[in-house]
Amino acid sequence: KNEVEQSPQNLTAQEGEFITINCSYSVGISALHWLQQHPGGGIVSLFMLSSGKKKHGRLIATINIQEKHSSLHITASHPRDSAVYICAVPSQGGQFYFGTGTSLTVIP
Amino acid sequence: EADIYQTPRYLVIGTGKKITLECSQTMGHDKMYWYQQDPGMELHLIHYSYGVNSTEKGDLSSESTVSRIRTEHFPLTLESARPSHTSQYLCASTLSGTTQETQYFGPGTRLLVL
Repeated sequence: KNEVEQSPQNLTAQEGEFITINCSYSVGISALHWLQQHPGGGIVSLFMLSSGKKKHGRLIATINIQEKHSSLHITASHPRDSAVYICAVPSQGGQFYFGTGTSLTVIP
Repeated sequence: EADIYQTPRYLVIGTGKKITLECSQTMGHDKMYWYQQDPGMELHLIHYSYGVNSTEKGDLSSESTVSRIRTEHFPLTLESARPSHTSQYLCASTLSGTTQETQYFGPGTRLLVL
C-alpha cells in the first residue's frame, strides 16, 4: 500500500477548463507538497501547505488534515500547464513519500 | 530560485563503465537526496544524507554509492554501469530545522547505458 495516493493518473483537458487533482495520504504529516515536473525537465515545488488553502496565480492548493486529503486546482487551464503533478509528504525519518504523479495534458 | 546543480545533464555510456553523477547545492542545505525516476513513473529514493559524513541507502537498491565529504557536494557513483541503470537521476536538498521542509530539485541527469 502506498503512503500517498493520487488521482487521476492521467488527465486530458481542453484549454480553459477547471482542473482538479487529488491526493490522499495515510501517514501523519506536518506539511504536504505539490510538485510540478515538465517533460524532460526537472522538478519544481509549487506549494507547501499544512492547513487551509494557498493560491499562486491560477493554481490553488487545499488541504484537509482531518481527512488526510489535498487537492490541486488549476483555473483557466493552458497548454503550458501540461506537466506531471506530484504530491509529496515528509516522513518522520526526514525522507519523502511521493505519489505516482498525475500526467496532465491541456489541449489548445 | 533553487541553486542546485547536476552534471552531466545527459550521459550515454557502455556497459561496465564506472560513472559519477555530480550534484552540488549552494544553499547550505544539510539534507541531500538522490532519486531514480523512469519515464512516467514515480520517484524512488536511492540514497540520502543528513550531513557531512552521513549517508544512508534508500528503498531502491541501485548498486550505487554516494559520499558526503562537503556539505554542498553529494556525488553518486556507479561502479559498473548496466543497461538496467538507464534512467533519470534527480538530486534534491532540504534545510532541516523547520517543521515544513521544501525539497529543491536539480535538473536531473538522463543516463543511457548501452
